[in-house]
Amino acid sequence: DGGITQSPKYLFRKEGQNVTLSCEQNLNHDAMYWYRQDPGQGLRLIYYSQIVNDFQKGDIAEGYSVSREKKESFPLTVTSAQKNPTAFYLCASSIFRTGNQPQHFGDGTRLSIL
Amino acid sequence: QQPVQSPQAVILREGEDAVINCSSSKALYSVHWYRQKHGEAPVFLMILLKGGEQKGHDKISASFNEKKQQSSLYLTASQLSYSGTYFCGFNFGNEKLTFGTGTRLTIIP
Repeated sequence: DGGITQSPKYLFRKEGQNVTLSCEQNLNHDAMYWYRQDPGQGLRLIYYSQIVNDFQKGDIAEGYSVSREKKESFPLTVTSAQKNPTAFYLCASSIFRTGNQPQHFGDGTRLSIL
Repeated sequence: QQPVQSPQAVILREGEDAVINCSSSKALYSVHWYRQKHGEAPVFLMILLKGGEQKGHDKISASFNEKKQQSSLYLTASQLSYSGTYFCGFNFGNEKLTFGTGTRLTIIP
């Protein structure tokens, strides 16, 4: 079955540590997105990518980095510069431009500080 | 640019109806609607592309008033399975969606 796989499901970060969240899709979608979800704040866009080797900052990119070396993979690194990383992180993909295409979401990674 | 979504929360008895509204201060290209169950991924419900467009999906339908830059989601004869948080997502003709803050819908028997 096609879908989006995020791992791990739960992740703990120590002070000063970088952590990487994995996102893999086998839907053959061109576009991929990373969102952060905090209680009562909906989904906020961190980074997005329309094609391989290209990505753009979203609304809250500070303290995060991404890469898009393969069409199916879009990992997110939460760096030590992100002072408040505790949140639910969601990865999504769409066939191409999301204006008239739905986004499909992974099951999320819940990140907490130790 | 974030959609203004209302209400923040609503509690219904099974069989009752609900309306969720989203409005924009900018011209919209499309409106997306998603539902998220607690601790799960958001699930796509529908996209509305044209001004005045309405769509239906079982007993869940939506409208998009392009002139007023507003969209509404209608849940008719609600079922227990409709519980969750509903999000609208606005597209302004670019490559991304901007989501509202969500409406938490609770259905009680």
